[in-house]
Amino acid sequence: GQQVMQIPQYQHVQEGEDFTTYCNSSTTLSNIQWYKQRPGGHPVFLIQLVKSGEVKKQKRLTFQFGEAKKNSSLHITATQTTDVGTYFCIYNQGGKLIFGQGTELSVKP
Amino acid sequence: DGGITQSPKYLFRKEGQNVTLSCEQNLNHDAMYWYRQDPGQGLRLIYYSQIVNDFQKGDIAEGYSVSREKKESFPLTVTSAQKNPTAFYLCATKWGVDRNQPQHFGDGTRLSIL
Repeated sequence: GQQVMQIPQYQHVQEGEDFTTYCNSSTTLSNIQWYKQRPGGHPVFLIQLVKSGEVKKQKRLTFQFGEAKKNSSLHITATQTTDVGTYFCIYNQGGKLIFGQGTELSVKP
Repeated sequence: DGGITQSPKYLFRKEGQNVTLSCEQNLNHDAMYWYRQDPGQGLRLIYYSQIVNDFQKGDIAEGYSVSREKKESFPLTVTSAQKNPTAFYLCATKWGVDRNQPQHFGDGTRLSIL
C-alpha cells in the first residue's frame, strides 16, 4: 500500500540554524498537508500542497511539493525556540488522513 | 482548536473497566475522527465518521467502539479488550468529505491504566 516515510525522526539545532524535514512516498500523492504539534499539544494545520512543483511560504517556513508529487519538504530558516515541536506530513487516503512518523525539532537557545 | 471539546483531559482506567472519552464540536463539521498517539510516534486512526449514524474502522479499531448519534458528538469507548490503552487520544473534525479540507483537533485526553 501507499507509504510515506518522514526523515529525520529527530533534529536538534542551535537557534538561528536552518532546519528541513522531508516526506517521501512510494506512490504519487494527490495532495499533502503539513501539521505542527507543540510538546503536550495537539496537531495544528499549517498548509496544504496540491500542485506538482508547488512552493508555498509562511514567513520563515517554506513548503515544497515535488514535481512527481512523491515527495515534499518543509524548510525553516533561522530557527527560533518557538519552532520547537513535531512536524508531520499527512496525505489523504480515501477520506482518511494518514500521518507520517513526524520529525521532532528541538532548538537550543 | 476552538470549537472542539474533549473531556476529560486526564483519565485513569482500572483493569477490566470500560471508559468513554467525550468529543463535542460546534463547528458544524460533518466528519469526525479518533486518533491514538503513543509517545514519540505519529497519530494512528482508530475510527472515523463522515455522517451521522455511520462510522468506519480505522487502522487500530480493535478494543474500541464509537457511536455517532448526533452530528456534534462522537464518543469513543475504550473497552476492557484493549490491553494497552495508555496513550494520548485526539479527536478531530473536518468540514465535508472533501479530501482537501484540513482537520481540526481537540486538546486531547491522556488515558492511563491504574
